[in-house]
Amino acid sequence: DAGITQSPRHKVTETGTPVTLRCHQTENHRYMYWYRQDPGHGLRLIHYSYGVKDTDKGEVSDGYSVSRSKTEDFLLTLESATSSQTSVYFCAISRTDSWGDTIYFGEGSWLTVV
Amino acid sequence: AQSVTQLDSQVPVFEEAPVELRCNYSSSVSVYLFWYVQYPNQGLQLLLKYLSGSTLVESINGFEAEFNKSQTSFHLRKPSVHISDTAEYFCASLANAGGTSYGKLTFGQGTILTVHP
Repeated sequence: DAGITQSPRHKVTETGTPVTLRCHQTENHRYMYWYRQDPGHGLRLIHYSYGVKDTDKGEVSDGYSVSRSKTEDFLLTLESATSSQTSVYFCAISRTDSWGDTIYFGEGSWLTVV
Repeated sequence: AQSVTQLDSQVPVFEEAPVELRCNYSSSVSVYLFWYVQYPNQGLQLLLKYLSGSTLVESINGFEAEFNKSQTSFHLRKPSVHISDTAEYFCASLANAGGTSYGKLTFGQGTILTVHP
């Protein structure tokens, strides 16, 4: 258990509406990530954060924005949802242990844009 | 740039048979390698990882993977599978770039392992 909570877990929304997904962590990790999972593509990085108010783009950032105003929360916003953003979204954190850095994932948020 | 290729999108096997899930990577720098498993409607769980040292790494549930630098491969194997191993498996790489990779994983496309009775 990596102490990651995603909300909402399931959401159906209409094209053109804004949507915000929340990732909450309880272990004070510096690095947080948002990935999307689509069949045939594996997981692709949308945005990541390396500290409060420090974020950067990933591989598929178009149409998404993020914010991190405090260590424990990393928000992903779809300003105007499109059907191509129907996907499963995973939040992740990076935890350092004796073996080095390992990425741990939340349970996912299923988003359907109709 | 990095890339990860999983050579099989689906692998059906019978229970108690051996299985190999193939993964090849490409990177201009050295990498760390991971296998994750995803059971239906769940998140990804770390199965095993190669960071350095012994090229053969093992998980607690009988899977193993071998890092082969010359062939740029990190294939996942299990000598005898169970019904409960049915899941999707993802291979991923992380650039060992002196702390500048920011933990950004590059994933393969996934392999669905289906174990039949």
